Amino acid sequence: SQTIHQWPATLVQPVGSPLSLECTVEGTSNPNLYWYRQAAGRGLQLLFYSVGIGQISSEVPQNLSASRPQDRQFILSSKKLLLSDSGFYLCASGQGSIDNQPQHFGDGTRLSIL
Amino acid sequence: RKEVEQDPGPFNVPEGATVAFNCTYSNSASQSFFWYRQDCRKEPKLLMSVYSSGNEDGRFTAQLNRASQYISLLIRDSKLSDSATYLCVVENRDDKIIFGKGTRLHILP
Repeated sequence: SQTIHQWPATLVQPVGSPLSLECTVEGTSNPNLYWYRQAAGRGLQLLFYSVGIGQISSEVPQNLSASRPQDRQFILSSKKLLLSDSGFYLCASGQGSIDNQPQHFGDGTRLSIL
Repeated sequence: RKEVEQDPGPFNVPEGATVAFNCTYSNSASQSFFWYRQDCRKEPKLLMSVYSSGNEDGRFTAQLNRASQYISLLIRDSKLSDSATYLCVVENRDDKIIFGKGTRLHILP
């Protein structure tokens, strides 16, 4: 079965600092990978998804970027964090839409911007 | 119209009662549907997939109505431990998955 490793679990960063959150997937190849954010009091929001190495789709304009340097590695970055970047970030993986395959989630990173 | 819509609640339901949530989706080409449960400050966990013929898992029953483009979740004999946020998730043909904003459920003793 798929396992998603996401780190760090908790991160406190000052405004204006850079960010790099990493997500790696085990137990599968060529997964679809996703980054979500849940801001306080709001639902999950899809930020980026990737169907393959170097292929990134952005769902919303924002201060963040994503990269997929390897098949099972997905990185969320920012050059300069904003206060509004605070939230809970989740990495997820899936194998497309065959037979209602469920998505798998990492444990999440709680990011607090000071 | 939002792609996936849910009543945010909260639904305050006495223990032992039956409660049902609906979720509507806008893309008629959507092909996979799920209900997730999310506890406070935790990542969402898959509760159950939703099949075209409807499916049941213990006290939980999920239904899909493609004609009206909604899915439903029914919880019978609700327990205090059922208190959580229930997220409707829809997957489209381009492998994009969309989460609803969730319905909060509070089971009252």
